[in-house]
Amino acid sequence: NAGVTQTPKFQVLKTGQSMTLQCAQDMNHNSMYWYRQDPGMGLRLIYYSASEGTTDKGEVPNGYNVSRLNKREFSLRLESAAPSQTSVYFCASSDRGKQPQHFGDGTRLSIL
Amino acid sequence: ILNVEQSPQSLHVQEGDSTNFTCSFPSSNFYALHWYRWETAKSPEALFVMTLNGDEKKKGRISATLNTKEGYSYLYIKGSQPEDSATYLCASILTGGGNKLTFGTGTQLKVEL
Repeated sequence: NAGVTQTPKFQVLKTGQSMTLQCAQDMNHNSMYWYRQDPGMGLRLIYYSASEGTTDKGEVPNGYNVSRLNKREFSLRLESAAPSQTSVYFCASSDRGKQPQHFGDGTRLSIL
Repeated sequence: ILNVEQSPQSLHVQEGDSTNFTCSFPSSNFYALHWYRWETAKSPEALFVMTLNGDEKKKGRISATLNTKEGYSYLYIKGSQPEDSATYLCASILTGGGNKLTFGTGTQLKVEL
């Protein structure tokens, strides 16, 4: 019963480096989401994919790109990491808006 | 209200106390209201999804009510236990919002012995 799997769990980058955060779900959900969590800010939506083949910007999309590779996988890419992107990143999936979202365990990303 | 707002920001109660938190959300174009429980170093877990005005949901000692006309929801915990210590998040979805949740910043609950 894997649910939502995120990799890696931890990562340290230098400013300007790039990396991709991976997310996969095995619940056959249509919608997938990427959030960042910062102290005092709660969860803020970066990008989401309402269904396979579509992606849309959330509240804080600048500096990120996403790919909905197939129904299972939704990746988040930082092209040129900045210290302001130091955060904990959560991936989530859901079937519809009236169904709960299921979250991965998070990726703790530090950018020096 | 344009954003989702939660109060109080934090709460300390004694074991056995009953407590409640408030979530305020946009009442226009309401579609659904979610509640999540988030323990430190873990990921958020869904408690309730509420859609109808006047809806009441219950899960053990935790219950929630919904007023979509005035845009608020209450979460109640009866007889708080130390294991209830967590951050409680609410989030709203608007119609036409593409299943997109807007989260409040949460209420951090600490239950002390």
